[in-house]
Amino acid sequence: QVQLVESGGGVVQPGMSLRLSCAASGFTFSSYPMHWVRQAPGKRLEWVATISYDASNKYFADSVRGRFNISRDYSKNTLFLQMNSLRGEDTAVYYCARDLAEADGTGEMDHWGQGTLVTVSS
Amino acid sequence: EIVLTQSPGTLSLSLGERATLSCRASQRIVSNYLAWYQQKPGQAPRLLIYGASIRATGIPDRFSGSGSGTDFTLTISRLEPADFAVYYCQQYGSSPPYTFGQGTNLEIK
Repeated sequence: QVQLVESGGGVVQPGMSLRLSCAASGFTFSSYPMHWVRQAPGKRLEWVATISYDASNKYFADSVRGRFNISRDYSKNTLFLQMNSLRGEDTAVYYCARDLAEADGTGEMDHWGQGTLVTVSS
Repeated sequence: EIVLTQSPGTLSLSLGERATLSCRASQRIVSNYLAWYQQKPGQAPRLLIYGASIRATGIPDRFSGSGSGTDFTLTISRLEPADFAVYYCQQYGSSPPYTFGQGTNLEIK
């Protein structure tokens, strides 16, 4: 069955960097767009970034553009989120999610990981 | 960016009752690209409905979605204990940005 397992969260100081990973299994990783979504404590879900199935297109929320990068490693079936210049408002649980549709996808997220907590604090 | 507003913020109902949750968009959502998710405390969201009215795999038919344009509804016909959770709507399309509503907390009365 489809499984997504995030790792890499932790406590970091403002201005520092962190890289999140999402190990995917149970499906053809190279066929699906993938997403990162975050949720600050007690807040709504917030879309962060999307990468196309072939990594040719990347999209970012305005709140993270220029600071975060999304990438994928097909040999390891792993999705990454490189987070630089972290701020307090980046504190959240970060989820990776698979698009419902293969190839171009549409944005529905049918499988989610359990999430990894990132805390940005001095 | 499309802003989604959900109502009510909290809905208190009893087991067996019918729940009606609303999601209103700040502009028309093309192709009914509207999804609903259920989230329980400490868990990841679960896709319930996509395309405004299509149930995701494994979702019981007690859950139904309707609407078009800017007004969408999630209906749960007969509430069971496992249904009490927070529900989010999401708009999506051929390309981001994607946005979520602020959520409706469905609680047991």
